[in-house]
Amino acid sequence: AQSVTQLDSQVPVFEEAPVELRCNYSSSVSVYLFWYVQYPNQGLQLLLKYLSGSTLVKGINGFEAEFNKSQTSFHLRKPSVHISDTAEYFCAVTRNTGGFKTIFGAGTRLFVKA
Amino acid sequence: DAGVIQSPRHEVTEMGQEVTLRCKPISGHDYLFWYRQTMMRGLELLIYFNNNVPIDDSGMPEDRFSAKMPNASFSTLKIQPSEPRDSAVYFCASEEGGRNEQFFGPGTRLTVL
Repeated sequence: AQSVTQLDSQVPVFEEAPVELRCNYSSSVSVYLFWYVQYPNQGLQLLLKYLSGSTLVKGINGFEAEFNKSQTSFHLRKPSVHISDTAEYFCAVTRNTGGFKTIFGAGTRLFVKA
Repeated sequence: DAGVIQSPRHEVTEMGQEVTLRCKPISGHDYLFWYRQTMMRGLELLIYFNNNVPIDDSGMPEDRFSAKMPNASFSTLKIQPSEPRDSAVYFCASEEGGRNEQFFGPGTRLTVL
């Protein structure tokens, strides 16, 4: 079975500062990894995904994440955040050998302060 | 495309009443998922369908919950009877098989008094 741990429940940061949201996963098989974002009163939307290939993945809104197999991590980063990035961010994992059961982490609330 | 459509957006009901949540997936998507989100338990997968057939319902909390997908453009999640602990936001999501991206609806906020 797969599992996901998001190490920080809340991350406050000032506008234009860099941010890293941490995610570790556990799986006995190869996986696909995802970051989703949820703005207030909305559903989740995909930020980026790692399926294979380059371990540095770029997504929407200037976010990127790096897959580190040895560390079993998939941390999300942005070099300069905006107020509009305030949202909840979810790391997710699914096995890459069939089946579509995606396991979501508990979420990290990013709060960008002016 | 209008995206995944859910109705109602908000539902307030009394304990013991039947609640039906509705979802219209994105046209052409062959996977449909129902999730429940609460502060305590986070985002939980309840059930998912492939080509209208339930594939995994192991997340359905108990027999009071049931889900159907009579055709490719419509699914329902029913709770009967409802209880206060069912209060949550319920999301429907759909995916085109093999694309590895789920598209979520806006959710239904259910409050059971």
